[in-house]
Amino acid sequence: QVQLQESGPRLVKPSETLSLTCSVSGGSIRSYYWNWIRQSPGRGLEWIGYIFYSESTKYRNTHYNPALHSRVSMLLEMSQNQFSLQLKSVTAADTAVYYCGRSGFYEGGFDSWGQGTLVTVSS
Amino acid sequence: EIVLTQSPGTLSLSPGEGATLSCRASQSVSDNSLVWYLQKPGQPPRVVIYGASRRATGIPDRFSGSGSGTHFTLTISRLEPEDFAVYYCQQYGSSPLTFGGGTKVEIK
Repeated sequence: QVQLQESGPRLVKPSETLSLTCSVSGGSIRSYYWNWIRQSPGRGLEWIGYIFYSESTKYRNTHYNPALHSRVSMLLEMSQNQFSLQLKSVTAADTAVYYCGRSGFYEGGFDSWGQGTLVTVSS
Repeated sequence: EIVLTQSPGTLSLSPGEGATLSCRASQSVSDNSLVWYLQKPGQPPRVVIYGASRRATGIPDRFSGSGSGTHFTLTISRLEPEDFAVYYCQQYGSSPLTFGGGTKVEIK
């Protein structure tokens, strides 16, 4: 069974960049879709985007929520079986629990999730 | 963007009772591309139903999903103590993927 674990700074200053890594065990990131989702009391659950890699075609793709597109980037680190999130120019509105999650097993649903990490944006 | 509206906000029920949760979409969700999750405090959401009506692995048959287009329903036939949680719907038929605001099923 695949397991995911988020890691990264829990406190980020306004205007700086939030950086998180998701480590995947029990499965390869060379298939399925790898997502970031966040949850806050004010905004509820919000999908940030996904990154996808196909081992058979060597095709790599990202797809971001248009609301965050200008500030988001995601990368795959194949050798580490990890993927990452960078969110630029953060404000207090970006304070949330950030989850990494896998989709593609139950179609577009997120079948596997990390435990989540609370990231606070504050000076 | 498809906006999902869940109702009611809270359901207060006793174990053994049935529950009906609603998820309405602001526009049609293509190909029944809708998931239901349950979430307990301090845990990530867990898939209950996907494809609007298919149970995820390990989900008991007291859970059922139905609907199409703009109206979807999650039904729990007889509530067990472990079913008391917050339930969310999520559509994956169009980008961006979006979630509903949740229905809390609490013990009466």
